[in-house]
Amino acid sequence: DGGITQSPKYLFRKEGQNVTLSCEQNLNHDAMYWYRQDPGQGLRLIYYSQIVNDFQKGDIAEGYSVSREKKESFPLTVTSAQKNPTAFYLCASSMGTQVVRQFFGPGTRLTVL
Amino acid sequence: SQQGEEDPQALSIQEGENATMNCSYKTSINNLQWYRQNSGRGLVHLILIRSNEREKHSGRLRVTLDTSKKSSSLLITASRAADTASYFCATVPSNAGNMLTFGGGTRLMVKP
Repeated sequence: DGGITQSPKYLFRKEGQNVTLSCEQNLNHDAMYWYRQDPGQGLRLIYYSQIVNDFQKGDIAEGYSVSREKKESFPLTVTSAQKNPTAFYLCASSMGTQVVRQFFGPGTRLTVL
Repeated sequence: SQQGEEDPQALSIQEGENATMNCSYKTSINNLQWYRQNSGRGLVHLILIRSNEREKHSGRLRVTLDTSKKSSSLLITASRAADTASYFCATVPSNAGNMLTFGGGTRLMVKP
């Protein structure tokens, strides 16, 4: 069953802690993306990766880091430098480097206590 | 930065009515896409329209694109309660090959 999985679904973090969100895809897609969504808002791009071992900053990369060591995995770390990390995080992937459509995971809701 | 802006921000209609949502954008695009999001879930791709297309249909969905006005509309005909969701337009700018820029979305409620 092909698709994108994100874990965990809900995540709670204390202020000052780093936390890593998982994103895995078995669609054999080259490109992967991380978005942040705040309540009632659209999606904002955090980071994206077009190929293994390469990634670029999106519009709101400050306070976040990523890695792309495997084609199927693109974890996102929310660091303590991110001042307002409470949000809904969505991972997506697309085939190739020309966007036809993006496939989204179910999301991770991060709450900072 | 958000390229697309949807209008209205919220829409409430009765089952069976048509729902129309509009999207405006700022720069030239390669294509424009519409996505749907059920509350607390990921986005699902609905339809893509390329910059050289003016209209596209998929089931009960009809999308139009006017590149001279930098605007698009999504029409859902004969709406159902299950259509209740948020709908987002997303553009692929001409100079940013694989990056989508999303608007703020229209929250549609279809009352049974």
